[in-house]
Amino acid sequence: NAGVMQNPRHLVRRRGQEARLRCSPMKGHSHVYWYRQLPEEGLKFMVYLQKENIIDESGMPKERFSAEFPKEGPSILRIQQVVRGDSAAYFCASPTPGAPGNNEQFFGPGTRLTVL
Amino acid sequence: GENVEQHPSTLSVQEGDSAVIKCTYSDSASNYFPWYKQELGKRPQLIIDIRSNVGEKKDQRIAVTLNKTAKHFSLHITETQPEDSAVYFCAASSSGNTGKLIFGQGTTLQVKP
Repeated sequence: NAGVMQNPRHLVRRRGQEARLRCSPMKGHSHVYWYRQLPEEGLKFMVYLQKENIIDESGMPKERFSAEFPKEGPSILRIQQVVRGDSAAYFCASPTPGAPGNNEQFFGPGTRLTVL
Repeated sequence: GENVEQHPSTLSVQEGDSAVIKCTYSDSASNYFPWYKQELGKRPQLIIDIRSNVGEKKDQRIAVTLNKTAKHFSLHITETQPEDSAVYFCAASSSGNTGKLIFGQGTTLQVKP
C-alpha cells in the first residue's frame, strides 16, 4: 500500500475554482478506483479506471466531476467549480492484478480537499 | 442498489476484552468481503478479508466469519489493546460488478486501558 501515491495531500480551493487530484497506482498496476469520504462518514465509490479507459463511473456526480487515466502519467480526478459540499478526503486505491471483484485494494494516503 | 449496513456505530471495550462488529449486505452476488482499519487522518488499511468460498478466517487476534445464507459477516478482535482504537469499515464487492467496494458506515472502536 505504500506504493500508491496521491498528491497533493492537502488542497484548499475557493468556491468556483477547479481542483485536480492525482493518483499513481502501485508500480506496474494499470487500474485505479477513486473513493470519496465525507467528514465523519464512510467511503463512497466514485469511479474505476484502467489506462485510457473508464470502466465504471456509476458513483460519479453527473456534473462538475470527471476522471481520466492516460497512457502516461497519473490518474486525475477533476472537480470543476467546486462547492463547499465537495470538501472531503479523496482516496484512490490500487487493486492487485487479476480479475476485479475478488482482489485486495490498497489505498493511497488521500487528498484532503477543503473548499472555502 | 447495493448496500452494506454496519453495527454498532460506536463500541467501547476494556483492554483485553473482545470486540465484535457486524455487517449485512444486500447484493447476493457479493463474493469478497474486506475489513479496513482507519486511524484519524490516515488511509484505510486492509486488516483481513474473506472470500465467499470460506466461512471463517483468522489472523492472530483478528477473525472474520461469513454467513452467505443470511448475507452477513462479522469481525472479531480478541484481547483488544489500546492501539486497536480506530474506525473499522467493512465492505463488499462482486466480481460481476467491476470490483468496486461498497462500504459500511464504520464503527468507532475505543479500547480503554
